[in-house]
Amino acid sequence: AQRVTQPEKLLSVFKGAPVELKCNYSYSGSPELFWYVQYSRQRLQLLLRHISRESIKGFTADLNKGETSFHLKKPFAQEEDSAMYYCALSGYTGKLIFGQGTTLQVKP
Amino acid sequence: DTAVSQTPKYLVTQMGNDKSIKCEQNLGHDTMYWYKQDSKKFLKIMFSYNNKELIINETVPNRFSPKSPDKAHLNLHINSLELGDSAVYFCASSRIGTDTQYFGPGTRLTVL
Repeated sequence: AQRVTQPEKLLSVFKGAPVELKCNYSYSGSPELFWYVQYSRQRLQLLLRHISRESIKGFTADLNKGETSFHLKKPFAQEEDSAMYYCALSGYTGKLIFGQGTTLQVKP
Repeated sequence: DTAVSQTPKYLVTQMGNDKSIKCEQNLGHDTMYWYKQDSKKFLKIMFSYNNKELIINETVPNRFSPKSPDKAHLNLHINSLELGDSAVYFCASSRIGTDTQYFGPGTRLTVL
């Protein structure tokens, strides 16, 4: 079964602390993995995708096929990073399967 | 210019009514989608259209009927609205099925 699991509903850290938002997936083929972010009162937008292997706003994510994980990391959290983060996978049909979402709260 | 737009932004209606949500994209994308975000913020795909043809229909009640008059538009019509239909509905588009999807601002539907 195709599934994306984000075990933490809420992650609260202090400004400057490292952040890791966990994502595990289940998929029989070779999925594409994405992280989408939804800032307060804004639309969902792409943060990064695994094939790009780039860092956006200081965030990185590495696909670990052995552990079927795609955790999102940032070494030093900023207050403006506070948002809802969704991990998602896309199979050959293109439909996105989302995790439950993790709210990141960065405290001053 | 807004890439993916939806109207209306808010929709409050009574049970049993029929309503439509419109979506338009000006990105020249071939594929469009509808997603539903429930009260727990869980996002799930409902439909996907490619060049006006339905390619994904995820066990959505047949009260929901998407309509794509052209590849830049994908509207969602809902008949006989129920309380459980209350949610935020997001439209999205992409160049091809597996490419990055761009989302609209969402339509918050409240059924009373």
